[in-house]
Amino acid sequence: QKEVEQDPGPLSVPEGAIVSLNCTYSNSAFQYFMWYRQYSRKGPELLMYTYSSGNKEDGRFTAQVDKSSKYISLFIRDSQPSDSATYLCAMRTIIQGAQKLVFGQGTRLTINP
Amino acid sequence: GAVVSQHPSWVICKSGTSVKIECRSLDFQATTMFWYRQFPKQSLMLMATSNEGSKATYEQGVEKDKFLINHASLTLSTLTVTSAHPEDSSFYICSASFQSYEQYFGPGTRLTVT
Repeated sequence: QKEVEQDPGPLSVPEGAIVSLNCTYSNSAFQYFMWYRQYSRKGPELLMYTYSSGNKEDGRFTAQVDKSSKYISLFIRDSQPSDSATYLCAMRTIIQGAQKLVFGQGTRLTINP
Repeated sequence: GAVVSQHPSWVICKSGTSVKIECRSLDFQATTMFWYRQFPKQSLMLMATSNEGSKATYEQGVEKDKFLINHASLTLSTLTVTSAHPEDSSFYICSASFQSYEQYFGPGTRLTVT
């Protein structure tokens, strides 16, 4: 079983739709939960970062963490064509000062005008 | 956010040759740098972690003699793929962090081995 599971999609929705992206994880040691956006042939860029259960909102993006279910989500409201990218969830541990990120497979999202 | 650069952005080399990829943190001191590999339509897989001035720590299954990592300064790490083969063709991405704070990712280097 992979430590982080993410539906690879692809996911295609019309402009303006609400998008829901999800990941599950198995390692209880994960302390931080992130969502990255990656455009084709580019490095990932950090979108959202949280460490506690609950919701965190930033503009059109909302990150949700449920530690009891080991489930995280990213919601995109009023989706735009420029949101078309691959979205990767990532979980981070810090043990004795050393950090490690484990990524999900990534979901390829297309927003159609 | 902090800026991390990689050079080259794309490299083609012949099978059996070696290629070096540079990763630089432009505006902060990167005490730790990470090297990832990403195959098409797959996620980033951590290859190794390096702390400035120390030997790199490699993930299980990554050949340390094939993927040589040097982190000699707080702003530069290099990954050398030795005796490259077509199966080494991939997208290599580095990231840098100050201590255990957020990792900032470079734009990636596409390696094609012919």
